Amino acid sequence: EAEVAQSPRYKITEKSQAVAFWCDPISGHATLYWYRQILGQGPELLVQFQDESVVDDSQLPKDRFSAERLKGVDSTLKIQPAELGDSAMYLCASSLYIYDWASLNSYEQYFGPGTRLTVT
Amino acid sequence: AQTVTQSQPEMSVQEAETVTLSCTYDTSENNYYLFWYKQPPSRQMILVIRQEAYKQQNATENRFSVNFQKAAKSFSLKISDSQLGDTAMYFCAFMKLSVGQGAQKLVFGQGTRLTINP
Repeated sequence: EAEVAQSPRYKITEKSQAVAFWCDPISGHATLYWYRQILGQGPELLVQFQDESVVDDSQLPKDRFSAERLKGVDSTLKIQPAELGDSAMYLCASSLYIYDWASLNSYEQYFGPGTRLTVT
Repeated sequence: AQTVTQSQPEMSVQEAETVTLSCTYDTSENNYYLFWYKQPPSRQMILVIRQEAYKQQNATENRFSVNFQKAAKSFSLKISDSQLGDTAMYFCAFMKLSVGQGAQKLVFGQGTRLTINP
């Protein structure tokens, strides 16, 4: 069964350092999401891509976070510089397509295992 | 903006019992979907069940069923004959559909930690 891949699974970094996370969505999935999940809370969207275009990045702290999906396939999320408050699980999800009104299956989001970031 | 509220931070039941997790949401939208996701310890989040808002019939998936009350904006999850493998965090989530914009992000509740005891 196809899965969303993420790496690394765990990352420990010192504050003010740069850190990057990678996500490879399920093959053929046009939509990719990055969520941040603080311990004990539900995930919150950071950025949504449709192919290589950003659909929603309203909650992305753009002074320190950046995200790209250059070829519309895999994606990288970067934090520079990292702060203590960035410690969280970073989840990547993908879905087939967001504009197919006929099929809820095209909206269903499949999640990767996440990257657990600890900033010291 | 949409909000999702799960008022039960933790629940614990014995194996084989039935348990109901509560979820309420706030929205002014008419077209949306609701979901329950399960996040087992150290494992990835998976979809448990989904409900289209325009459907009056409650969704069911084997031992999982929902009670969708659109007017009350309530969406509870019932797990029947609970099993040890049901132990996990459960998240209620809302997804808006917009004409021209397609499916939007998932808005999650805070989660309910469910423990099934042997």
